Amino acid sequence: EVQLVETGGGLIQPGGSLRLSCAVSGFSASDNFMSWVRQAPGKGLEWVSVIYSGDTTDYADSVKGRFTISRDSSMNTIYLQMNSLRVEDTAVYYCARDIGYWNDQWGQGTLVTVSS
Amino acid sequence: DIQMTQSPSSLSRSVGDRVTITCRASQPISSNLNWYQQRPGKAPKLLIHAASNLQSGVPSRFSGSGSGTDFTLTISSLQPEDLATYYCQQGYKTPPWTFGQGTKVEIK
Repeated sequence: EVQLVETGGGLIQPGGSLRLSCAVSGFSASDNFMSWVRQAPGKGLEWVSVIYSGDTTDYADSVKGRFTISRDSSMNTIYLQMNSLRVEDTAVYYCARDIGYWNDQWGQGTLVTVSS
Repeated sequence: DIQMTQSPSSLSRSVGDRVTITCRASQPISSNLNWYQQRPGKAPKLLIHAASNLQSGVPSRFSGSGSGTDFTLTISSLQPEDLATYYCQQGYKTPPWTFGQGTKVEIK
């Protein structure tokens, strides 16, 4: 059974750092493109980042230089390291399998709240 | 970046009605358009990829069409479980993959 389970969310002050994890089961995260997508409270979906099967990465302009996506093949886990967090980064963060340019499997999401 | 505009922003229909949601891209995107359903409090779920390909397990009352800049999601006979917000997403050439603002579907 395919499962993606995000953890690591929580309350953090502006300027702080947080690392999200996405534990994958049922398929190999290193053989697939994997994405992070976020959703601010009451708002729509926003693509954040993707890691390709060769470990090349891409980021939305809104997080470029502050967020880093990575993966641990031995743990079958994807990470999102988030630094210099801003109030506007407050959102539910979803990880998803990326089949070329669509996301066919999603986790349940983890909430990140940036507030003083 | 490519902008995606959905219409309407919300709609209310009765069970059994036909529902049509449109999505327009700010530039041609070939058939690189996907549709997702997000039920309240849940993660998004892929309905249709590449404009018209029904994802495995999705009921056949859902269908998609279009290419270039104009796309449509149709629900042929609305069911109570279709209460959700629907998003289009483009995946043309390179990121960022942008989403439409969403269409909230309510049941009368």
